[in-house]
Amino acid sequence: DAGVIQSPRHEVTEMGQEVTLRCKPISGHDYLFWYRQTMMRGLELLIYFNNNVPIDDSGMPEDRFSAKMPNASFSTLKIQPSEPRDSAVYFCASSFEITGELFFGEGSRLTVL
Amino acid sequence: AQTVTQSQPEMSVQEAETVTLSCTYDTSENNYYLFWYKQPPSRQMILVIRQEAYKQQNATENRFSVNFQKAAKSFSLKISDSQLGDTAMYFCAFIQPLHSISNFGNEKLTFGTGTRLTIIP
Repeated sequence: DAGVIQSPRHEVTEMGQEVTLRCKPISGHDYLFWYRQTMMRGLELLIYFNNNVPIDDSGMPEDRFSAKMPNASFSTLKIQPSEPRDSAVYFCASSFEITGELFFGEGSRLTVL
Repeated sequence: AQTVTQSQPEMSVQEAETVTLSCTYDTSENNYYLFWYKQPPSRQMILVIRQEAYKQQNATENRFSVNFQKAAKSFSLKISDSQLGDTAMYFCAFIQPLHSISNFGNEKLTFGTGTRLTIIP
């Protein structure tokens, strides 16, 4: 397996634009997580899915953020409209069980100007 | 909510030496899991070691070992014979499984703020 695949690796956009980050988890993993990493706040869990169903989205900053998992092999994190404070590295991770090893993607570095 | 504290923002050590990274956590539960993750400059996070709280034996993975002190709620990582490739951010993480009595809906993996470790040639 190729591991967790995220795209794009880098995204630079202007304030107000819509941003869509994509993730393909490892096949067979039942859990998918979206994390955000910044210098100020460290690693924050935004949302996680179990069997494609969102379980906890309490970490999603506000209504501008939304995440979907239409099937077991694909998830998106969307920011609309984007703001400069959304600039961060966004990680997707998947795991076989909730207490098991998380496998992270390489992250998507988002810069909002 | 669970908290994970890493009190050492940065550390550096000479190559081949041993270094210990500290981590403390807060929980009232008896069953939980602890992890150390490594994030090298390439940015991708990888698991270093995992410890189940009900196991008294400290987990070990090659040059990496933990000192798990359940009563003190301490989970330190020891890196022996450190190598240049060990240079990275190290994150301690904690999770309680769903079936803990007082923990329903709160089974999130919580990360500490990280320790930046530099191995000096």
